[in-house]
Amino acid sequence: EAQVTQNPRYLITVTGKKLTVTCSQNMNHEYMSWYRQDPGLGLRQIYYSMNVEVTDKGDVPEGYKVSRKEKRNFPLILESPSPNQTSLYFCASSFTARGGETQYFGPGTRLLVL
Amino acid sequence: DAKTTQPNSMESNEEEPVHLPCNHSTISGTDYIHWYRQLPSQGPEYVIHGLTSNVNNRMASLAIAEDRKSSTLILHRATLRDAAVYYCILRDVGNRDDKIIFGKGTRLHILP
Repeated sequence: EAQVTQNPRYLITVTGKKLTVTCSQNMNHEYMSWYRQDPGLGLRQIYYSMNVEVTDKGDVPEGYKVSRKEKRNFPLILESPSPNQTSLYFCASSFTARGGETQYFGPGTRLLVL
Repeated sequence: DAKTTQPNSMESNEEEPVHLPCNHSTISGTDYIHWYRQLPSQGPEYVIHGLTSNVNNRMASLAIAEDRKSSTLILHRATLRDAAVYYCILRDVGNRDDKIIFGKGTRLHILP
């Protein structure tokens, strides 16, 4: 089944404790992206990747890192999480970045930083 | 800044058509118009997209204004399962800008 998976689905952590949220897709997609969703603010793009070893900042990249060493995986790294990074995170992928391509979203990761 | 503008919320009666508007006055000639929806407690899912001509699929229809500065997502017969947040976004066909800006979307309430 074609899908985007994220792990963990729920995470509670404390300020400053490094964490990684994994994202994997099995559709051989080139484009992958991370979003955060907060009440009243909609979906905001954090980082995106056009292909392996190619990443770029979205609208809200501060406090986050990403890597794209393999085509299928696009982990989101919070080196020193803070409470303002408490949010719902979505990973998404599409075949390419071209305008007609559909994005497929993962189920989301709910993060609470204490 | 969001490239699209949508009403915050809309209401419709069950089994009636729903027209969800989206303004994108700064659209470029190479931007596709995409619609996604997000059901409660789920990730966004694709609904429909188009470039210039109106489009139909099993979920909905997309009507694009002749000047492409606005579009309307049409749900022909709303059901309670269509209650969701609907997002209208632009995506450039030529990779000119790879960022994707979602905005806040329209929360659609369906009344039984």
